[in-house]
Order: sequence, then structure tokens, then C-alpha cells
Amino acid sequence: DQQVKQNSPSLSVQEGRISILNCDYTNSMFDYFLWYKKYPAEGPTFLISISSIKDKNEDGRFTVFLNKSAKHLSLHIVPSQPGDSAVYFCAASVPPTSGTYKYIFGTGTRLKVLA
Amino acid sequence: EAGVAQSPRYKIIEKRQSVAFWCNPISGHATLYWYQQILGQGPKLLIQFQNNGVVDDSQLPKDRFSAERLKGVDSTLKIQPAKLEDSAVYLCASSFSARWENNEQFFGPGTRLTVL
Repeated sequence: DQQVKQNSPSLSVQEGRISILNCDYTNSMFDYFLWYKKYPAEGPTFLISISSIKDKNEDGRFTVFLNKSAKHLSLHIVPSQPGDSAVYFCAASVPPTSGTYKYIFGTGTRLKVLA
Repeated sequence: EAGVAQSPRYKIIEKRQSVAFWCNPISGHATLYWYQQILGQGPKLLIQFQNNGVVDDSQLPKDRFSAERLKGVDSTLKIQPAKLEDSAVYLCASSFSARWENNEQFFGPGTRLTVL
């Protein structure tokens, strides 16, 4: 059962335009969400996060929007740059049953920014 | 600050052989994670340690996979015997503490395992 879904496996965007990556989740108990970026042959690196008490968080060119009623979040990159080409993973932080939090990751979206 | 170190970076073995992966987390990080990432999928948590104790191993195939974190620092993940479906990238991550929802996990570069 995939609790965090990224339905678009790939996305191509022209340099300078907006990239929008989407993520859906099924568990209303999730209360914190993160985006990670992964380059080939490297581990994922943290990009941006959002708490469920907010509907928007912004960091430079990156903005994450959360729609709790729709159980949907999106990552906006404006303007997109060729260096943004990577695989982006959405993750949900799962409230603990054992006293510690853990992440559930989506399947990833490969973003290609065309120069 | 040094990142999460993993070795080896690549490993090719035949099915039914054994293999071990090593991870050295960021100094001072209490929580260590092992993930399995199969091609085209997201990372899947195999096991989570808090210091040297296991707090979650619900998705670890315990008939063939084992992991330990001696002294609450380095960790090893072992597969014995390997199956074809174990071909994946094995990622190690660490965080300062997993007792808060916003604890950032730092990932190592991963070990790519190919089982022939």
C-alpha cells in the first residue's frame, strides 16, 4: 500500500520556467512533509519541508504548498535552472508508535530542465 | 562536517552468496537508518536504530537480512543468502534524533548491489 504517491515519473521544463512537482498522500495522520533531491550516484539531500499547520513554505526559488483537505502537496521551482535536473522525492514523517519518527517516501519524479 | 560514509560503493555477487555493507554516520547523530531503493521506486526503510537499539525493523526480511549498530556508532547490514530481487541501492542515513517530526535525515551515497 503506497501511502505517499508521486504519479508523474518524469517532467521536462524549459529553463527559466516554473517546475511543479506533485505528491499525494493517503494517511491524514501525517503531520510533516519533506522534499528531497537526488542526483545520480549520490544520496538524497534535503530540500524543503512543511508542517501540517502551514499551507505554504518558501525558501528562495523553492516553495512547497500543502492542501490538507485534498491530501496533496506540491513543490514549485521558479525559475527552473539546468542544475535542478534531478529526481525529487516527496516524504511524509510518520507519527511514532515507538517513540521515534520515520519517513515514508514517494516513488520520485525525474525533473529535466532544458537549457 | 563530514557526511555519512558508506562502503563499498558497488558490489556484484551471485545469488545465494553473502554480502555486507558498512555505514559510518555523522558524528553525534543518535539515529541511523538503512533504506533499500529498488530502481524506479522510492527509498524503503529497512531498519532504524536509536543509539544501538532497534526501534523499527518491520520491513526487514529477517530470514536473510540482519543489521547491527555496535556502540551506537557504525553499522553493518548483511544479506545472507542474496536473491536476485535484492538488487538495489542500499542507503544509509543518520539524524540527530528521531524524537521530533522535523528531524532532517542525512544520506550517504549508497551501495549499489547487483545480484546475478
